[in-house]
Amino acid sequence: DIVMTQSPDSLAVSLGERASITCKSSQSVLYGSNNKNYLAWYQVKVGQPPKLLIYWASTRESGVPDRFSGSGSGTHFTLNISSLQAEDVAVYYCQQYCRTPTTFGQGTKVEIK
Amino acid sequence: QVHLVESGGGVVQPGGSLRLSCAASGFTFSHYGMHWVRQAPGKGLEWVAFIRYDGSKQSYADSAKGRFTISRDNPKSTLYLHLNSLRAEDTAVYYCAKEGDFGDYLPYWGQGTRVTVSS
Repeated sequence: DIVMTQSPDSLAVSLGERASITCKSSQSVLYGSNNKNYLAWYQVKVGQPPKLLIYWASTRESGVPDRFSGSGSGTHFTLNISSLQAEDVAVYYCQQYCRTPTTFGQGTKVEIK
Repeated sequence: QVHLVESGGGVVQPGGSLRLSCAASGFTFSHYGMHWVRQAPGKGLEWVAFIRYDGSKQSYADSAKGRFTISRDNPKSTLYLHLNSLRAEDTAVYYCAKEGDFGDYLPYWGQGTRVTVSS
């Protein structure tokens, strides 16, 4: 199975500042035949189901604010929140869907400093 | 719009069984693969099982193999997860999720149904 490792486990950022989360996969999730990275990011708020933010490593889901962006390729990925808002307090997960079983990172908790 | 509604959760004793259901609407259910993902209290997301759009193929997490069965009724637009030989570590909120148009990212999730395994 592909192991997804996120860092940090938690971070506290001031309102309006940048938050960055890293996700590393134990194997490449770049599929050679279409040059796509099979990597997604989700936001999970307390008491709510996960919300898809980013897929194909950098494609923002419809309706997701443009302060959220994804980057990276192969085994190393980053989710950036350019200007943290109060409503962004949540746990964020990366997911690889390159190989079965699909696997998630352990989560990164984002709080307000 | 896409709507997924899980039901069937509850409190069950170790070794017991449950059947979870996920009623889908707002899209052509028979065209999409479906997943179950769970989240134990205070823990992260754990993928449980997947079924192809036509039910012809299923896959399971190691933790679910031999105990859980995913199935679907396309005319009823309903997904199921049969849980058998339940253990305390199966306690979690179980979500159904629809696959994306071009891959197994998960753009739509239900609100979840809670399963508690306790004596």
